[in-house]
Amino acid sequence: GDSVTQMEGPVTLSEEAFLTINCTYTATGYPSLFWYVQYPGEGLQLLLKATKADDKGSNKGFEATYRKETTSFHLEKGSVQVSDSAVYFCALGSGAGSYQLTFGKGTKLSVIP
Amino acid sequence: DVKVTQSSRYLVKRTGEKVFLECVQDMDHENMFWYRQDPGLGLRLIYFSYDVKMKEKGDIPEGYSVSREKKERFSLILESASTNQTSMYLCASSPGLVDEQFFGPGTRLTVL
Repeated sequence: GDSVTQMEGPVTLSEEAFLTINCTYTATGYPSLFWYVQYPGEGLQLLLKATKADDKGSNKGFEATYRKETTSFHLEKGSVQVSDSAVYFCALGSGAGSYQLTFGKGTKLSVIP
Repeated sequence: DVKVTQSSRYLVKRTGEKVFLECVQDMDHENMFWYRQDPGLGLRLIYFSYDVKMKEKGDIPEGYSVSREKKERFSLILESASTNQTSMYLCASSPGLVDEQFFGPGTRLTVL
């Protein structure tokens, strides 16, 4: 079945550091890929998405590229801020008649001044 | 602005009580979902619904039931709450297949 593996946290970075959160997936067919963010005390919000190979999703300085050859969708940001402290979830939607998204377990990011 | 609302942010119940968690979306979405979120386990799908009165079991349906009588409303029911159902419950909706899901703020349920 479908699965998503993302790097375990927590991750602690200093402000303005470079961020990478790794995400790899297993799926049949051609899934859509998503990154969600959950700020403390809130629900999940879509951060970015990509629907086909080589697509790059971007939002709020975050980027991720859909790499079919390595089955990866790593999240990157060049310079993190304290306000980026949150839990980040990688997810895939496999299509093929499925309504569900499969989520990774989440990576908690803390950015310190 | 699109919105998914949940009836309570925090809820405390006793073992054996019947618990209702309600979710309402104002986006005319076809699909609605209930997840629970636990530390180290991420999000796990309990039930989802792709149409009024239709429901499908997710990965962990045991101990839960759902009701969708109107398109905008999706209820999660714990027939007899137990302490292992203490968790954060998240509701979501989406317009179609493999689409972005929109999440509510969550209900943190504690069962004593």
